[in-house]
Amino acid sequence: QVQLQESGPGLVKPSQTLSLTCTVSGVPISSDSGSYYWTWIRQPAGKGLEWIGRLYNGGGTNYNPSLKSRVTISADTSKNQFSLKLSSVTAADTAVYYCAKERRTEWIHWFDSWGQGTLVAVSS
Amino acid sequence: DIQLTQSPSSLSASVGDRVTITCQASQDINTFLNWYQQKPGKAPELLIYDASNFETGVPSRFSGSGSGTLFTFTITSLQPEDIATYFCQQYDDLPRTFGGGTKVEMK
Repeated sequence: QVQLQESGPGLVKPSQTLSLTCTVSGVPISSDSGSYYWTWIRQPAGKGLEWIGRLYNGGGTNYNPSLKSRVTISADTSKNQFSLKLSSVTAADTAVYYCAKERRTEWIHWFDSWGQGTLVAVSS
Repeated sequence: DIQLTQSPSSLSASVGDRVTITCQASQDINTFLNWYQQKPGKAPELLIYDASNFETGVPSRFSGSGSGTLFTFTITSLQPEDIATYFCQQYDDLPRTFGGGTKVEMK
């Protein structure tokens, strides 16, 4: 059974860099099968879900164009973790951050495993 | 980006009622749409994939239909445990996008 768990500071000051880690158990993130995409998604309080970006095939990345200039997603395969860095944060980046696994079978993609989510507040 | 417009944004219904939610895409996305349920304080859970296919273990009162730009999610007989927010999500293109959500409350 695949499990994901987010970790990182719950409070970040404006203009600083938000850093979160997702620890994965049950499947290696280094798998190059092309069937899994390691993803970050966020949700401001009371609002909808925003896709931030993903890691795949051991090192490929895709980012949301709206955040691309500030986002880096990377992997530490020795620890079976992947990480999110979001620079120059503002109050608008305050949200619950989820890591998730997107799975692909033929043409079908879906998010089949999620972390519990971690609240990150941006405040001085 | 592909925009997904969900309606209504919230609804109130009684136990046993039929509940219908629509999701309209800003462009043709074939059947590349999923539906998730999110309960307060929890991560979303997949209910329907590829517009109309049930995830394993999902009760048969949940269903999805549609293709192209208009999709429908239905709960045929609302149960107390169905109180949640429901989201549609497209996987036709990047970035992945979600509908704004429909909050289902009990009358």
